[in-house]
Amino acid sequence: SYELTQPPSVSVSPGQTARITCSGDALPKQYAYWYQQKAGQAPVLVISKDSERPSGIPERFSGSSSGTTVTLTISGVQAEDEADYYCQSADSSGTYQYVFGTGTKVTVL
Amino acid sequence: QVTLRESGPALVKPTQTLTLTCTFSGFSLSTSGMCVSWIRQPPGKALEWLALIDWDDDKYYNTSLKTRLTISKDTSKNQVVLTMTNMDPVDTATYYCARTLFEQQLDRTWVDYGMDVWGPGTTVTVSS
Repeated sequence: SYELTQPPSVSVSPGQTARITCSGDALPKQYAYWYQQKAGQAPVLVISKDSERPSGIPERFSGSSSGTTVTLTISGVQAEDEADYYCQSADSSGTYQYVFGTGTKVTVL
Repeated sequence: QVTLRESGPALVKPTQTLTLTCTFSGFSLSTSGMCVSWIRQPPGKALEWLALIDWDDDKYYNTSLKTRLTISKDTSKNQVVLTMTNMDPVDTATYYCARTLFEQQLDRTWVDYGMDVWGPGTTVTVSS
């Protein structure tokens, strides 16, 4: 089955830049989406279609894509950015379905 | 304002069938481009997409769970229902519904904008 692989954890000091990668064979052909999930809360969409920021999402969140890897970048990390982050994409190789990444815990030191 | 809310039993026994309802407002599932997805998250684990139903009543399922899942909609009630048969303790999780938004492009293709609004989730425990 199709998998999206993320690093389990990323640690960053306040004001620094956090980069979270997501790797998957179909990412050159399918858009990726990023979700932020704070403890005890539902996920929130922070990046759509590889690099688009939905309304209300701070400018410090950005997304990029290169080959089989997409990257979520948080510039000028703030304490409130500490959360789990999940990438998500589609698998159209067989029956169309969505897939979530393995998740990355971002810790603000 | 778009809102969604999940409802259903907090506890089910092994082998039983789980029925969850997503009640939403602020959009209509009869409008082109509107979809609702179900997603679950076992305690301490990653998100897992389960199923999606679109405005045209097309249905898509996680292939590894397809034989156990059924998704349906009641447009007049603004509700989407997910049933999962033969429940097992490994199905213990928080279950979420989320609006998934598609937009038609100038070339008439449809582009996915992602799961833009989520419900708060409902916790389901499978135990005898």
